[in-house]
Amino acid sequence: DGGITQSPKYLFRKEGQNVTLSCEQNLNHDAMYWYRQDPGQGLRLIYYSQIVNDFQKGDIAEGYSVSREKKESFPLTVTSAQKNPTAFYLCASIPRGGDPNSPLHFGNGTRLTVT
Amino acid sequence: KNQVEQSPQSLIILEGKNCTLQCNYTVSPFSNLRWYKQDTGRGPVSLTIMTFSENTKSNGRYTATLDADTKQSSLHITASQLSDSASYICVVSAREYGNKLVFGAGTILRVKS
Repeated sequence: DGGITQSPKYLFRKEGQNVTLSCEQNLNHDAMYWYRQDPGQGLRLIYYSQIVNDFQKGDIAEGYSVSREKKESFPLTVTSAQKNPTAFYLCASIPRGGDPNSPLHFGNGTRLTVT
Repeated sequence: KNQVEQSPQSLIILEGKNCTLQCNYTVSPFSNLRWYKQDTGRGPVSLTIMTFSENTKSNGRYTATLDADTKQSSLHITASQLSDSASYICVVSAREYGNKLVFGAGTILRVKS
């Protein structure tokens, strides 16, 4: 089955620690995205990558970092600089970046709680 | 100001009944409008994608309509089932911002027996 796998499903961290969220896809998609979802708000774009070894900041990139060393993988690191990291994080992909009519395929998210 | 507004915020209906969810947007021009279904604790799943030239699109018991003149869309669910309980998210692709996706906050639907 093709899809996007996010792990872990739940993550708990102490304030001040960096944490990395995993996102792996076997859809052979070029473009991958990280979104943050908070209650009562629409999804907000953190980072995106249209090809391997290239990525761009989204609307709320501060306190986050990413890498795209392999087509299948797009890990997100939440650093201690992120002021309010507790949220539901969603990874998504599309076959080709820039295709306006391509539906996003989402993973099932990682719920991060920082105390 | 939110560029995509959804109403109502939440809705409870009885199994078997129909319902309509609303989406108003100010994003212009846009490439397409999408509806997603998100089950609790899961990622969103695409229901429909409509370009500005389409005014209706169906996916099983889900029918989306689009009025590009009034910048309104609706999602109609027919003969609701318990499995329709979810959040329904309206998303507009903004052509002038490189097809950036602007997400609504969603409508939470609960179908009860």
